Amino acid sequence: DAGVIQSPRHEVTEMGQEVTLRCKPISGHDYLFWYRQTMMRGLELLIYFNNNVPIDDSGMPEDRFSAKMPNASFSTLKIQPSEPRDSAVYFCASRPGGDQPQHFGDGTRLSIL
Amino acid sequence: GENVGLHLPTLSVQEGDNSIINCAYSNSASDYFIWYKQESGKGPQFIIDIRSNMDKRQGQRVTVLLNKTVKHLSLQIAATQPGDSAVYFCAKAAGNKLTFGGGTRVLVKP
Repeated sequence: DAGVIQSPRHEVTEMGQEVTLRCKPISGHDYLFWYRQTMMRGLELLIYFNNNVPIDDSGMPEDRFSAKMPNASFSTLKIQPSEPRDSAVYFCASRPGGDQPQHFGDGTRLSIL
Repeated sequence: GENVGLHLPTLSVQEGDNSIINCAYSNSASDYFIWYKQESGKGPQFIIDIRSNMDKRQGQRVTVLLNKTVKHLSLQIAATQPGDSAVYFCAKAAGNKLTFGGGTRVLVKP
């Protein structure tokens, strides 16, 4: 079975540039989550969606960050403009309804120079 | 605020021995607790979970213990294998939100 698919796997760009991270959740999963992982802060929830609707974006660090889910099979996390402190691994996860665990993608390693 | 932490950042274990990874939490308002395993370059992988109304749950070679009195969670891995080398995270779920601990690295010595 295909798991959560993220692209790109690696992204290196200069500060000030727009960055778009992409996620395809597992088919049939109602919930989609975006996380950021750094050595200093560990794994942090940024935002999550239920049935394509953003439910909680309290973890989004600044207005430079935005996330969308135009349909059940696709979500984007955008950073504009990017800054060096945004460098991290960004994970997408999805899960079905009910008390089921989240399934994670393999992440996008983002480096802002 | 909510906090989920770990006692040991690194655990070195001999192949074939049992491993015990510990986790403490500070806020008991949680539906359930989960253990994830993360290998290098990959995302966290679900291992096992336990509801807050349980104190023990067993899976294949893994056992999770929950002690709500002292707010402590542990993961026991039986007969640790080289493939068990990874970082292990405990997480606390409240509704749809997970709060992760800092992680424990397990190194399996041959």
